Amino acid sequence: DAGVIQSPRHEVTEMGQEVTLRCKPISGHNSLFWYRQTMMRGLELLIYFNNNVPIDDSGMPEDRFSAKMPNASFSTLKIQPSEPRDSAVYFCASSLARGTGTTDTQYFGPGTRLTVL
Amino acid sequence: DAKTTQPTSMDCAEGRAANLPCNHSTISGNEYVYWYRQIHSQGPQYIIHGLKNNETNEMASLIITEDRKSSTLILPHATLRDTAVYYCIPQGAQKLVFGQGTRLTINP
Repeated sequence: DAGVIQSPRHEVTEMGQEVTLRCKPISGHNSLFWYRQTMMRGLELLIYFNNNVPIDDSGMPEDRFSAKMPNASFSTLKIQPSEPRDSAVYFCASSLARGTGTTDTQYFGPGTRLTVL
Repeated sequence: DAKTTQPTSMDCAEGRAANLPCNHSTISGNEYVYWYRQIHSQGPQYIIHGLKNNETNEMASLIITEDRKSSTLILPHATLRDTAVYYCIPQGAQKLVFGQGTRLTINP
């Protein structure tokens, strides 16, 4: 199995530009999670999907952030416009959700390191 | 979400057992104890989880106290590749809430 795939692995952009991060979950997994990691705040959950439907987006910092999951094998996290404080490592994870209220092992991708100048 | 307390950092000699404690005194009855680790510049990696009973897999053993207020992750024969940040996470639903974890350094 290829595992969770994220692209790009590194992104450097200028303030004000649009940034799109991409994630391909493990085949057969029906839950997808986006996390952000910074030195100051650690690992934070931004949003997660079950069966392509957003379930909890309470961690999305502000309207500049948006996430979509058009199908079971692809998700995007978009930042528009980007700001220097968005610089972080963004991780995508997937799991096989067994039902409401269950806990499931999450498998993480290698992350995208975003630098906004 | 239950709060956890873990040592900020620990050291262990290569080849010895590494014992990582976690206090989760506010854990609720339906929350499992999950352990993940993050090796530098990589995504977090699942290690093991348990509810009440002790668990063992190819990576580690998990010892949970009878009152479930604390647990210990045991890496039986630590190697240099086990150097990482280890997170103890009570989880009762799909969301994972990461704390600061324990930075474990394995020394040659």
